[in-house]
Amino acid sequence: DTAVSQTPKYLVTQMGNDKSIKCEQNLGHDTMYWYKQDSKKFLKIMFSYNNKELIINETVPNRFSPKSPDKAHLNLHINSLELGDSAVYFCASSQRQGGPYGYTFGSGTRLTVV
Amino acid sequence: GESVGLHLPTLSVQEGDNSIINCAYSNSASDYFIWYKQESGKGPQFIIDIRSNMDKRQGQRVTVLLNKTVKHLSLQIAATQPGDSAVYFCAENPPYSGAGSYQLTFGKGTKLSVIP
Repeated sequence: DTAVSQTPKYLVTQMGNDKSIKCEQNLGHDTMYWYKQDSKKFLKIMFSYNNKELIINETVPNRFSPKSPDKAHLNLHINSLELGDSAVYFCASSQRQGGPYGYTFGSGTRLTVV
Repeated sequence: GESVGLHLPTLSVQEGDNSIINCAYSNSASDYFIWYKQESGKGPQFIIDIRSNMDKRQGQRVTVLLNKTVKHLSLQIAATQPGDSAVYFCAENPPYSGAGSYQLTFGKGTKLSVIP
């Protein structure tokens, strides 16, 4: 069983479109995250959700919106896609209670905006 | 050897040799540190962690050293194998000080290439 699964693995879309990336974790963790990895492999936090509450929102354009229907899911919705949004997006989860602990990452979604 | 600059730092080692990957972290109050390994096309994978009350921790073929005086973290890999080829990241956890601050901050990454 995959611990953190995200879909799709690859996403190619045109500028201006709206797209979503889904993430699910079966680890029973209470916090989930979205990271963006650029072409230089730099990982930058975008959002985190703890018990359905947004607790981190870095300097991310408001075209990006996280949606968490329940503790096991944190989806990423992107409006009006731009060329600069092309990157690999990683979902991750961790347990905060009693922590800190390391994160478990999904395998990534490579987004290409053309 | 190791190269740094505008590109991802790269460390090339001969198979069977020991590898040392270094990382400078930013927050002197960080209390938890992790090394991750990212293979091509995959997500970062946990290797080993260390808390700030320790200066050394050993795992299977890997050792993490923490020097809080100079805010330096290193990952040592013994008897490096071709399967160790990947990008390695250090990550630090600053102390929790309220909503919005509980997060892992990742370093820039080092690409390890193992020469057979």
